[in-house]
Amino acid sequence: NAGVTQTPKFQVLKTGQSMTLQCAQDMNHEYMSWYRQDPGMGLRLIHYSVGAGITDQGEVPNGYNVSRSTTEDFPLRLLSAAPSQTSVYFCASSRRTSGSGELFFGEGSRLTVL
Amino acid sequence: DAKTTQPTSMDCAEGRAANLPCNHSTISGNEYVYWYRQIHSQGPQYIIHGLKNNETNEMASLIITEDRKSSTLILPHATLRDTAVYYCIVRGYSGNTPLVFGKGTRLSVIA
Repeated sequence: NAGVTQTPKFQVLKTGQSMTLQCAQDMNHEYMSWYRQDPGMGLRLIHYSVGAGITDQGEVPNGYNVSRSTTEDFPLRLLSAAPSQTSVYFCASSRRTSGSGELFFGEGSRLTVL
Repeated sequence: DAKTTQPTSMDCAEGRAANLPCNHSTISGNEYVYWYRQIHSQGPQYIIHGLKNNETNEMASLIITEDRKSSTLILPHATLRDTAVYYCIVRGYSGNTPLVFGKGTRLSVIA
C-alpha cells in the first residue's frame, strides 16, 4: 500500500491563481481530511469527509473547496489564491469504524502564494 | 476552544523517560485520548490512544487518571529521534468526528 499520497509536494502560485491539491489513499478509508500548518503553529482542520459524497467544514474552510466523488480521492481546491494561504497542507485518512482513530497522514504539500 | 492543555515545551535527557502531561478536564464519557507526534516538518504520526485504562505499545505508554481529567504519555527511553512536537487530542468514539489539533508540546531530547 502506498498509504496517503499528496501531489504536488511543492507549488508556487501568484495571487488570484487557482489550483487543486490532490490527495489519494489506497487503504479503503472512509474518512479523509485536509489540514493546513503555518510556521510554528499546530495543524488546523480545513475540510473533512466521512464518505463519498459527504463533506463538511472544519475550523478554517474559507477560500477552499472540496469534493468527494470516490472513496480514494479528496482534492482540495483553491479558487483564488491569496498570500494568507501560504502554508503546508496535509491530507489524512482513517477508517470510520468506531474506536480505531488512527489517522494516516500524507507527506504534505508546501504552497507559496506570491 | 481547546479541549486539552499541554506545556509548550519540555526537555529530556537521552536515555531517560520522557513524561508528557496533558489536561483534559472537560472530557466526556465517550471521548478517547489520542497522542500524535510530528517530527520536524513531516506529517503527524499516531502514537497511542486510550479510553480509561492504561495502554502500552511498542512506542509508548499512556497513563490516564481515574477521573480521566488528565493523562501522561511516557516514552520509556527517549532518544534524539524522539525530538518532536507531541499532540494530545480528545476525540469522540465515532470515526466521524474530526481530529482537532492544539499547539502541542515541543519535546527536545538532549544528548
